[in-house]
Amino acid sequence: AQTVTQSQPEMSVQEAETVTLSCTYDTSESNYYLFWYKQPPSRQMILVIRQEAYKQQNATENRFSVNFQKAAKSFSLKISDSQLGDTAMYFCAFMIDQTGANNLFFGTGTRLTVIP
Amino acid sequence: SAVISQKPSRDICQRGTSLTIQCQVDSQVTMMFWYRQQPGQSLTLIATANQGSEATYESGFVIDKFPISRPNLTFSTLTVSNLSPEDSSIYLCSVGVTGLYGYTFGSGTRLTVV
Repeated sequence: AQTVTQSQPEMSVQEAETVTLSCTYDTSESNYYLFWYKQPPSRQMILVIRQEAYKQQNATENRFSVNFQKAAKSFSLKISDSQLGDTAMYFCAFMIDQTGANNLFFGTGTRLTVIP
Repeated sequence: SAVISQKPSRDICQRGTSLTIQCQVDSQVTMMFWYRQQPGQSLTLIATANQGSEATYESGFVIDKFPISRPNLTFSTLTVSNLSPEDSSIYLCSVGVTGLYGYTFGSGTRLTVV
């Protein structure tokens, strides 16, 4: 079974500062993908960043970067220069790399508040 | 990535009635997924809907309660039947291709059962 754990229910950060959200996962699969999704109050799920498990290089998307530690099964998200618009729920998600019906397994989420 | 139009955005329904949620995609996709997000919770997969075949339901979800239609490669509906207050949640549809590109989500339907 695949599980995703986010141990920080809530976090806050001052505007322009850096914050790191934690995520760990458990799987026996060797090929998979990891994602961070953002859900603002509008409810829209927005893909923030994605990582292929076979790639050692950490993914980066502008102010968002990940620290992917495959052996430790850890996939943390770092947000640099935090902005008010970053205030949202953040979900870590996992997907097995196999043909067919692939669904996302989600963590329980971290509510991030950016303080002006 | 695909663009999804999900309707309605919200509804308030009486106990015992049903609500049908629609998702229209701007491109043809093989798989569509329906998720439930209970208040303050994460997303839980209800079922996977493939065109031309019966939907595949996850443990704890049954077709009688959550019938799904998938008449073509761009459209799907989820019906939540015999509503009770416990069904009050956000329901989201999602589409995507396997692999790195992840999935695109509809804007969600907030259902309140009174």
